[in-house]
Amino acid sequence: EVHLVESGGGVVRPGGSLRLSCVASGFTFDDYGMAWVRQGPGKGLEWVCGIHGDGDATAYADSVRGRFTISRDNAKNSLYMQMNSLTAEDTALYYCAKSTGRSCTYYGVDVWGPGTTVTVSS
Amino acid sequence: DIQMTQSPSSLSASVGDRVTITCRASQNINNYLNWYHQTPGKVPDLLIYAASTVQSGVSSGFSGSGSGTDFTLTISSLQPEHFGTYYCQQTYSTPLTFGGGTKVEI
Repeated sequence: EVHLVESGGGVVRPGGSLRLSCVASGFTFDDYGMAWVRQGPGKGLEWVCGIHGDGDATAYADSVRGRFTISRDNAKNSLYMQMNSLTAEDTALYYCAKSTGRSCTYYGVDVWGPGTTVTVSS
Repeated sequence: DIQMTQSPSSLSASVGDRVTITCRASQNINNYLNWYHQTPGKVPDLLIYAASTVQSGVSSGFSGSGSGTDFTLTISSLQPEHFGTYYCQQTYSTPLTFGGGTKVEI
């Protein structure tokens, strides 16, 4: 069975940093693009960033470009997101999500982790 | 960036009703349009990809149509398990973007 499990969320002060991780199982990890999607309290879905299956291509939402960095370690079936210069607007539930194809573009996401909560507050 | 606009933002319907949700892209996205359904406290489920292809395991009551900039999601006969929020998403170009959501109440 396909599983994604996120970790690394928590409470951080404005301007601080966090690193989220996601461990995948049940599928050939490097065959699929991966993404981080977030959902603020009571808000809709926001695509944050994505990475191709081979890790050679990445893309970011305007709201996080230059502050967040997505990466993956295919040998460890793991996805990461380094989050720097956090603001209150980054407070959200962060989902790790599997693309239905090798690219992180063109395809939807068919598997989601349960999410990890990031709270940015002083 | 491509903006996705859903309408209505919310609707109330009865069991058995036919429900249609629309999604408009700010520019041509061909058929790179997906639909998701989310109930409170749950992760989203992929319903339809490529505008009209029903994801494996999704009930046959869902259908999608459209191409270019205008898309629709139709629920042929609304069931209690269909309540929740529906989101469209374009995957034509990065940054990928979601619509604001349509909350369906029964």
